[in-house]
Amino acid sequence: EAGVAQSPRYKIIEKRQSVAFWCNPISGHATLYWYQQILGQGPKLLIQFQNNGVVDDSQLPKDRFSAERLKGVDSTLKIQPAKLEDSAVYLCASSPEQGYAFFGQGTRLTVV
Amino acid sequence: GQNIDQPTEMTATEGAIVQINCTYQTSGFNGLFWYQQHAGEAPTFLSYNVLDGLEEKGRFSSFLSRSKGYSYLLLKELQMKDSASYLCAVRKVNDYKLSFGAGTTVTVRA
Repeated sequence: EAGVAQSPRYKIIEKRQSVAFWCNPISGHATLYWYQQILGQGPKLLIQFQNNGVVDDSQLPKDRFSAERLKGVDSTLKIQPAKLEDSAVYLCASSPEQGYAFFGQGTRLTVV
Repeated sequence: GQNIDQPTEMTATEGAIVQINCTYQTSGFNGLFWYQQHAGEAPTFLSYNVLDGLEEKGRFSSFLSRSKGYSYLLLKELQMKDSASYLCAVRKVNDYKLSFGAGTTVTVRA
């Protein structure tokens, strides 16, 4: 079974620039999560999709972050403009309705 | 919201046993998960409890008490490769929102 695919693995940008991350979940998984993990901390949920609808985005900084899940499959997370404090690993995870979440390898973002 | 608390760090000797506690407060509980995360890698699933009691899986066991909002992960016969961060996560019913604690860094010493 293929896992959760994310790209890119690493990204370095200057503050105020834009960046986008891509996630392809495991086939058939209805739920997709985007987490932000700052070094030394646990993953913080940014947004959760059920199929292509948003279930929770209460912790997404909507003035600069946006996310979409096209046709209930792939998802993109965008930051525009980036700030220094956005430096983190961005993890995508997917799960079947009653199962546990599988994580992708993450994208390590450095904002300079 | 969900408050999930776990110790920041623990150190143990190779071959020993370590117990990582997790307490949580949530409305609409739908399961507690433990994940292992090695430095620079993604979290990987270890165990899942939705009913009270002990779940055993090889060297790892996880316990849940829903009335106390309490879980622990027990790591037996510690090996050097068990040095990692262990994340406690709680899922809510209906929307399946999955929230994580800050993680416990376990260091195994020879």
